[in-house]
Amino acid sequence: NAGVTQTPKFQVLKTGQSMTLQCAQDMNHEYMSWYRQDPGMGLRLIHYSVGAGITDQGEVPNGYNVSRSTTEDFPLRLLSAAPSQTSVYFCASSLGTGGRQPQHFGDGTRLSIL
Amino acid sequence: AQKVTQAQTEISVVEKEDVTLDCVYETRDTTYYLFWYKQPPSGELVFLIRRNSFDEQNEISGRYSWNFQKSTSSFNFTITASQVVDSAVYFCALSDPKTSYDKVIFGPGTSLSVIP
Repeated sequence: NAGVTQTPKFQVLKTGQSMTLQCAQDMNHEYMSWYRQDPGMGLRLIHYSVGAGITDQGEVPNGYNVSRSTTEDFPLRLLSAAPSQTSVYFCASSLGTGGRQPQHFGDGTRLSIL
Repeated sequence: AQKVTQAQTEISVVEKEDVTLDCVYETRDTTYYLFWYKQPPSGELVFLIRRNSFDEQNEISGRYSWNFQKSTSSFNFTITASQVVDSAVYFCALSDPKTSYDKVIFGPGTSLSVIP
């Protein structure tokens, strides 16, 4: 069972570069989300999607874009990387909305912005 | 506004001791969901429990138990006879109808170290 797959696992970027973090799930979950984890701050929601073609902002959406063209994939785009975006990023999915059902998390992407 | 407080940043216990992780939440709604997730040193996040605000029964699962008290807005997590494998960061989380349950608010986490 693959579950939620995130790629890459590690990435180093220079300030101003752009990149896309990939997230795919094979559980046919409608709800998908992206979080960032920073020391002492827990997980903060960046963007989420309740189904293909539907996305919305979370707590900290600035500097990030998402799209959901298929049920399986939910990529996160950094438009112009900044050092403040250095973090560990987690993608998650759940059968129903993430606030009612347990979320299944990927292994995370550790991103460093120089 | 929604808020989840985990006042204990780090806890260390000796193996076989009992330990309680505190979680206090804020919400204006009467219907909401609470969660606990575990993040072991390997980094993945693992779901432990979900609780609906209407279900105030305490729950026990092996060495884990959860005490939900609506009157004090707390959802505490107790590990009995702790083991080294319990060493992890534990997150409490909340969702409520204000955001259609679509947004989950996580607490800052409590890092538990179980010393052999």
